[in-house]
Amino acid sequence: DGGITQSPKYLFRKEGQNVTLSCEQNLNHDAMYWYRQDPGQGLRLIYYSQIVNDFQKGDIAEGYSVSREKKESFPLTVTSAQKNPTAFYLCASKSATGSGYTFGSGTRLTVV
Amino acid sequence: AQSVTQLDSQVPVFEEAPVELRCNYSSSVSVYLFWYVQYPNQGLQLLLKYLSGSTLVKGINGFEAEFNKSQTSFHLRKPSVHISDTAEYFCAVSVSGNTGKLIFGQGTTLQVKP
Repeated sequence: DGGITQSPKYLFRKEGQNVTLSCEQNLNHDAMYWYRQDPGQGLRLIYYSQIVNDFQKGDIAEGYSVSREKKESFPLTVTSAQKNPTAFYLCASKSATGSGYTFGSGTRLTVV
Repeated sequence: AQSVTQLDSQVPVFEEAPVELRCNYSSSVSVYLFWYVQYPNQGLQLLLKYLSGSTLVKGINGFEAEFNKSQTSFHLRKPSVHISDTAEYFCAVSVSGNTGKLIFGQGTTLQVKP
């Protein structure tokens, strides 16, 4: 079955470290998105990409970076510049012509 | 710019009672509207969506929502809830013809009590 796979499910980071969250989809979707979820704040857009080798900042891009070298993959790096990275991160994808979004099961990142 | 407001952060309700989760949006252009459900430590599952046409939209698990353009609302309803409906619910909008970005409300936690 097609879907989105996020890994790892749980991730622990030490202060000052960069970590990379994986997001892979086999839906042949063109667009991919990264959202951050904090209690009581809903989901906020970090970065999105509508096509390979191109991506745009969302509302809270500071301290994050992404790449889109392949259509299937959209990894998110949480850098040491992100001062409060502890959160639940969700990846999503969407076809260019359709209206449906598919979400991954999320990665919970904790700073220790 | 578009925004979404979910008017209740928590909604407690007894099992088999009806429930309404409220959602208002602001946008100067046409939008698509969505309701998602999230169970603990999981991703989002689509309940229903409004793209065009009939303003009453039926979704999965017995949920429905009504698009009201004049009141810019998209409230979610279920006539009789079950314990298994306990979860967090998100309303979201996407501007038609745009980059496909979803803008979410803050979420409503539905707590179904026995």
